[in-house]
Amino acid sequence: DTEVTQTPKHLVMGMTNKKSLKCEQHMGHRAMYWYKQKAKKPPELMFVYSYEKLSINESVPSRFSPECPNSSLLNLHLHALQPEDSALYLCASSQDSGPNQPQHFGDGTRLSIL
Amino acid sequence: GENVEQHPSTLSVQEGDSAVIKCTYSDSASNYFPWYKQELGKRPQLIIDIRSNVGEKKDQRIAVTLNKTAKHFSLHITETQPEDSAVYFCAARLDSGYSTLTFGKGTMLLVSP
Repeated sequence: DTEVTQTPKHLVMGMTNKKSLKCEQHMGHRAMYWYKQKAKKPPELMFVYSYEKLSINESVPSRFSPECPNSSLLNLHLHALQPEDSALYLCASSQDSGPNQPQHFGDGTRLSIL
Repeated sequence: GENVEQHPSTLSVQEGDSAVIKCTYSDSASNYFPWYKQELGKRPQLIIDIRSNVGEKKDQRIAVTLNKTAKHFSLHITETQPEDSAVYFCAARLDSGYSTLTFGKGTMLLVSP
């Protein structure tokens, strides 16, 4: 059983829609991450939050907007996405953002852009 | 930045055989090396990790070895079973608070009964 919960599991949206992906963990972790994964590729880091503050943005387009309302929740707001944004979006968390901390992934949201 | 090379890209073995996946990294300052297993349609699952002050770590049928001098680390799976079939990703991370995981491209392991 995963301790990082992501909703929804699947999402289909048009290019003009606005939607949000949600991630929740109750392990007391203070670092949370968003990754994008295309088929047969490794996860690509998008954002890192450390103690509810955005610490890393890997040059992600502004149509992706992260939000960390509290230490247990991480959202990814989507607007005006492109077909190439279709992918599996993975959330992960770790004890903190220290270099030796294991990251644990959620099951992901499979996103399809029409 | 860090660069991680992973080989082979695909690996087919018979049930009961051993499987070895190798990764090399470029930055000698890297000191944390996790391995993830991802079954089709599932999340990446951390199966084992090693830190640079350790040369080898074992957990039942899985072991990881690290050679810091040569900058390479390997995953060893013994007595493979069909349920070991998955994509395996290695990763490396620098010893820095703002560093991130750099993943290898993955190895698809197929264990045939």
